[in-house]
Amino acid sequence: AQKVTQAQTEISVVEKEDVTLDCVYETRDTTYYLFWYKQPPSGELVFLIRRNSFDEQNEISGRYSWNFQKSTSSFNFTITASQVVDSAVYFCALDMDSSYKLIFGSGTRLLVRP
Amino acid sequence: DGGITQSPKYLFRKEGQNVTLSCEQNLNHDAMYWYRQDPGQGLRLIYYSQIVNDFQKGDIAEGYSVSREKKESFPLTVTSAQKNPTAFYLCASSIRHYDGYTFGSGTRLTVV
Repeated sequence: AQKVTQAQTEISVVEKEDVTLDCVYETRDTTYYLFWYKQPPSGELVFLIRRNSFDEQNEISGRYSWNFQKSTSSFNFTITASQVVDSAVYFCALDMDSSYKLIFGSGTRLLVRP
Repeated sequence: DGGITQSPKYLFRKEGQNVTLSCEQNLNHDAMYWYRQDPGQGLRLIYYSQIVNDFQKGDIAEGYSVSREKKESFPLTVTSAQKNPTAFYLCASSIRHYDGYTFGSGTRLTVV
């Protein structure tokens, strides 16, 4: 079965703290794609990153970084020096060539307090 | 600017009524999707279409119907058979499924 688990329902941090959002996935496919999306209060999902199963390189984009580990089926997302504008719901998602659809985790609500 | 337009932003439906949610894209994407989001939950797939005049049921298609007569448009009808339609509905499109999706701003449907 294909599944994405985001065990952290809600995280609250103070501005400038670092925060890591966890994502664990399940699939038997050898070719798959992992995504992170941000959903601000306006509701629209904003694409953050895509990783395919053959590329385990970690990625850094400004204050954002992602750690992909196939050995533990995890694709964690870290925000360094968090800011109030980072407050949103963050979704991890899985896509496979065998299914042609995104499977979403339940999301993690991040609140960054000033 | 290219993007996805969903309308209306808010929609109120009386019990027993059918309502149609609009989704239009000018990105020239082949694939389009409808997702439903309930409070505190992730997104669940209702229907998807990979090409004009073709669509497939997602995980929660019961009580919904779609059409794909034009590449740009993928309207969703919430029928009276949908027992609990109050939710946030998101439309998305993609060039290829693994490229990631572009989402619209959503329609919030409330049954009154």
